[in-house]
Amino acid sequence: EAQVTQNPRYLITVTGKKLTVTCSQNMNHEYMSWYRQDPGLGLRQIYYSMNVEVTDKGDVPEGYKVSRKEKRNFPLILESPSPNQTSLYFCASRLGAGGSYNEQFFGPGTRLTVL
Amino acid sequence: TQLLEQSPQFLSIQEGENLTVYCNSSSVFSSLQWYRQEPGEGPVLLVTVVTGGEVKKLKRLTFQFGDARKDSSLHITAAQPGDTGLYLCAGALSPSGGYNKLIFGAGTRLAVHP
Repeated sequence: EAQVTQNPRYLITVTGKKLTVTCSQNMNHEYMSWYRQDPGLGLRQIYYSMNVEVTDKGDVPEGYKVSRKEKRNFPLILESPSPNQTSLYFCASRLGAGGSYNEQFFGPGTRLTVL
Repeated sequence: TQLLEQSPQFLSIQEGENLTVYCNSSSVFSSLQWYRQEPGEGPVLLVTVVTGGEVKKLKRLTFQFGDARKDSSLHITAAQPGDTGLYLCAGALSPSGGYNKLIFGAGTRLAVHP
């Protein structure tokens, strides 16, 4: 089944404790992206990757890191989480960075709480 | 600043009613997508509209892209409880180099009561 998987689905942590949220897709998509979803603000892009070893900042990249060592995986790293990073996070992928009609597939989300 | 304004934010209606959700911007989009998101899941694509003035129908859902490609609407006829969810519009912008960036609206939360 074609899908985007994220782990963990739920995470409660404390300020300053490094964490990684994994993301994997099995559709051989070139483009992957991370979003955070907050009430009233919609989905805001954190980072994106057009291909292996090619990553770039989205609209809200502060406090986050990513890497794209393999095509299928795109982990999101919070080196020193803070309470304002409490949010619902989604990983997404699509065939390519161009093509305005490309369907974007989303993972099931990771709900992160930073105390 | 929200590039894509969705209205209304919340909608609570009875089964069988009709409704329209709006998505507006001052930006011109190369395409516009509508997604539906259910609790505990990621958004799922419903439709993509590409041409100004385009109308697409998906059973009881009708999607329209504005002539100037700055706005869109989603109309649901005879809403069912199964239509309950968060509806998101997303416009594709082309900042540079062939990259299409999706800008999401804040969403319309629809509740359809039996």
